[in-house]
Order: sequence, then structure tokens, then C-alpha cells
Amino acid sequence: QVSLVESGGGVVQAGRSLTVACAASGFEFYTYAMHWVRQSPDKGLEWVAHISLDGSNIGYADSVKGRFTISRDNSQYRIFLKMNSLRVEDTAVYYCAREILGTIGFDSWGQGTLVTVSS
Amino acid sequence: QSALTQPPSASGSPGQSVTISCTGTRGDIGAYNYVSWYQQRPGKAPKLMIYEVTKRPSGVSDRFSGSKSGYTASLTVSGLRTEDEADYYCSSYTGSSDLRVFGTGTKVTVL
Repeated sequence: QVSLVESGGGVVQAGRSLTVACAASGFEFYTYAMHWVRQSPDKGLEWVAHISLDGSNIGYADSVKGRFTISRDNSQYRIFLKMNSLRVEDTAVYYCAREILGTIGFDSWGQGTLVTVSS
Repeated sequence: QSALTQPPSASGSPGQSVTISCTGTRGDIGAYNYVSWYQQRPGKAPKLMIYEVTKRPSGVSDRFSGSKSGYTASLTVSGLRTEDEADYYCSSYTGSSDLRVFGTGTKVTVL
């Protein structure tokens, strides 16, 4: 059974850093590309970052480029999102999502972890 | 990376059909057949309903169908049921650096 479990959310002051993680199980993690998607309170979904199955291809939304870093550890079945220079507008639930094998779309999602950036 | 445009709300009575539009540009929906749709119930994670414009993952009801014309994709929910009440989001591939974009979201109400 596919499972994605995010952790590491919390309250952090603007300008500080925080790293959130996603633990995967129930599938061959190293064969899947992974993404982070966020959702601000009572707002829509926003794609944040992508990492290919071996970590060689990475992409970011303009809103986080230069501040956030996505990485993965295939030996631990985990992905990470290191968030620097956090802003109040980064407050959101951060979801990790698995890419459909062989095509494009998000077929499995975690339950999300809430990051609150205070001023 | 502007969000794709969806109507804020849509509604229908049980048994009726509702269609949600998702308008993009020639750089996303107009360029690729990689449109997907997600259902999100309150307090829950999104769920994949449609991918590659028209394909349904196993386990998703055939009451859900997708289509695309030009820069606009659509999701149709037929035979509306109360459990279809949720927010629906479209998403598209945008090409460079494996970027993706989501729609603004549509709240579907079953009257």
C-alpha cells in the first residue's frame, strides 16, 4: 500500500529556515519522480518543486526559486524541502506527491504538514 | 507561471451533469496533452481523477470524464451524487524544467 507521510512543519519566524520531509513506503521509491505542492489556508493548490527519480533533474516555481531546495535520499525512501528566507506568504500545508509512472500527474499524496511563518 | 483559470463555483442537482472548464495558454494546455484533474474534499489531500486529458486511474468512477479543445480543458461529472461535492483543480505540464501549474479551483455543490 502506497504511503507518503510528511513531517517537520511548525511555526517559524519570517527570514528563518525550516526543512520538511516526506517518508515513502509501499512502492519502489527510486523509480518515481516526486513533487512538493502547497496550499495556503483557504486557498488553492500551488506547485512548488519537482525532483526526478535519481535527483538529476530539478525544477522550482518562480515564487520559491533561489530560496527552497528539494532533495531526495533513495536509500531512506525520503524527499526533503529545505526552505530558506521564509516569508509570511509561504504559510501553507505542504504536500508531497508522487508522479504517475511513465507519464505526468500526481497519483499519490501525503496528508500534508503545516508550515506557519510568523512576522 | 500564472494559474490556470477555473470558475469559482459550479452546481447541479443529483443525477444531473456539471462541467468545469480550465483555461490556460499555448504554453501549457495548448501545447501538451498532460492535463490532470484532482478532487479535494475538506481537510483532505487531493485525489487524482483524470490524467493525460481523458484517462481515468483505476478505481475512479466512469461518471468522471475529461476533454480538451485548444487552450481549454474540461471535466464533466455525470449523474451527480452528494459525495461529488468537493473542490476540483486542474493541472497542466508547462514544459521547461518539468514545471507544473494548477488551476484556481472550482467548488462543486450538489443542490
